[in-house]
Amino acid sequence: DTAVSQTPKYLVTQMGNDKSIKCEQNLGHDTMYWYKQDSKKFLKIMFSYNNKELIINETVPNRFSPKSPDKAHLNLHINSLELGDSAVYFCASSQRSGTGANVLTFGAGSRLTVL
Amino acid sequence: AQSVSQHNHHVILSEAASLELGCNYSYGGTVNLFWYVQYPGQHLQLLLKYFSGDPLVKGIKGFEAEFIKSKFSFNLRKPSVQWSDTAEYFCAVNAKTGANNLFFGTGTRLTVIP
Repeated sequence: DTAVSQTPKYLVTQMGNDKSIKCEQNLGHDTMYWYKQDSKKFLKIMFSYNNKELIINETVPNRFSPKSPDKAHLNLHINSLELGDSAVYFCASSQRSGTGANVLTFGAGSRLTVL
Repeated sequence: AQSVSQHNHHVILSEAASLELGCNYSYGGTVNLFWYVQYPGQHLQLLLKYFSGDPLVKGIKGFEAEFIKSKFSFNLRKPSVQWSDTAEYFCAVNAKTGANNLFFGTGTRLTVIP
């Protein structure tokens, strides 16, 4: 049973479209994340979501909006897609610790290509 | 905010060679340190972690890393690499207080030649 699952795995779309990526974790973790990995493999945190508290990375454009219906799900919705949004998006989850000693479990990634 | 530097972008080794990948972080407070590995076409997996205690930590597949606080470093080592170690290696850090978000280095690609 996959611990952190993302759908779709591949997504090809036109500029200007709106798309969503879904993420679900069955580990019982209380914190979920979205990371963006660009073409140079650089991983950058976009959002983390813990018990209804959303922590936003201020460098993320507001075209990106995370939605968490419950603590097992954190979806990513992207409006008005741009070429620069092409990347692999990784969802992750962890059980938050007061000392940050939390290990992230990652999903397999969703490769978004904007044409 | 924390930042992580990995100075080796691409390392090419022959099988059985020894490996050391550099990682330095920048943060004034106490931190947790991690190494993650991403095999070709796969997701990130934890290789090892340091939270506290013995600064020399051992991970899976024969990897180890040493936390040197005075140098703000957490270098990854393996005495003898195998072809199957070919992957992208990411060092990461988070603060023990605050949001605890994990910040990654730019990664080091390791290619092991059989």
